[in-house]
Amino acid sequence: EIVMTQSPATLSVSPGERATLSCRASQSVSSNLAWYQQKPGQAPRLLIYGASTRATGIPARFSGSGSGTEFTLTISSLQSEDFAVYYCQQYNNWPPSYTFGQGTKLEIK
Amino acid sequence: EVQLVESGGGLVQPGRSLRLSCTASGFTFGDYAMSWVRQAPGKGLEWVGFIRSKAYGGTTEYAASVKGRFTISRDDSKSIAYLQMNSLKTEDTAVYYCTRLQVTTGGYFDYWGQGTLVTVSS
Repeated sequence: EIVMTQSPATLSVSPGERATLSCRASQSVSSNLAWYQQKPGQAPRLLIYGASTRATGIPARFSGSGSGTEFTLTISSLQSEDFAVYYCQQYNNWPPSYTFGQGTKLEIK
Repeated sequence: EVQLVESGGGLVQPGRSLRLSCTASGFTFGDYAMSWVRQAPGKGLEWVGFIRSKAYGGTTEYAASVKGRFTISRDDSKSIAYLQMNSLKTEDTAVYYCTRLQVTTGGYFDYWGQGTLVTVSS
């Protein structure tokens, strides 16, 4: 099973600053990587798929990069609504295997 | 607007069964794979399983943790996906999310329901 490791576990950033979240895969997943945002009491929301493609309606301040085993989610200028938990997820199509990282909590500094 | 609404959660004793439903609207249900993802209280996300569209055989895949105990099915005429959970364990306690799975262009979950809580306890 491919293990996804996110760092840091908690990231404290001030509004208006840039946030950089990392995700590492235990083996190459090519560009088969998605990012999700989850706010308390809500379902996760897809932000990025294919490592760098923004999902419908996602603001341009969210960007994804990386391939293979190292991935990054960058939020260029944090807004109050961006403070949440972020998960990365790899998708390996055969055999089907979808695993998530343990999450990074982005909190207000 | 795509909407996924789960139902059927609740309190159930260990070893018993429960069936969850996911009613979809806002898209052509039969064209998509559907998946279940769960989240134990205070924990991260865990993929449970998915069912392909009829065009891709309507076959299913499961995580190792639930294989042999859980079964996913679908009724395209009603736009409903089901998760039948048998031989439930306390570690199955979680919020269960129904998701639409973009399996043909990758394997990511592009829409999520609000979730339904399943509590397995005696």
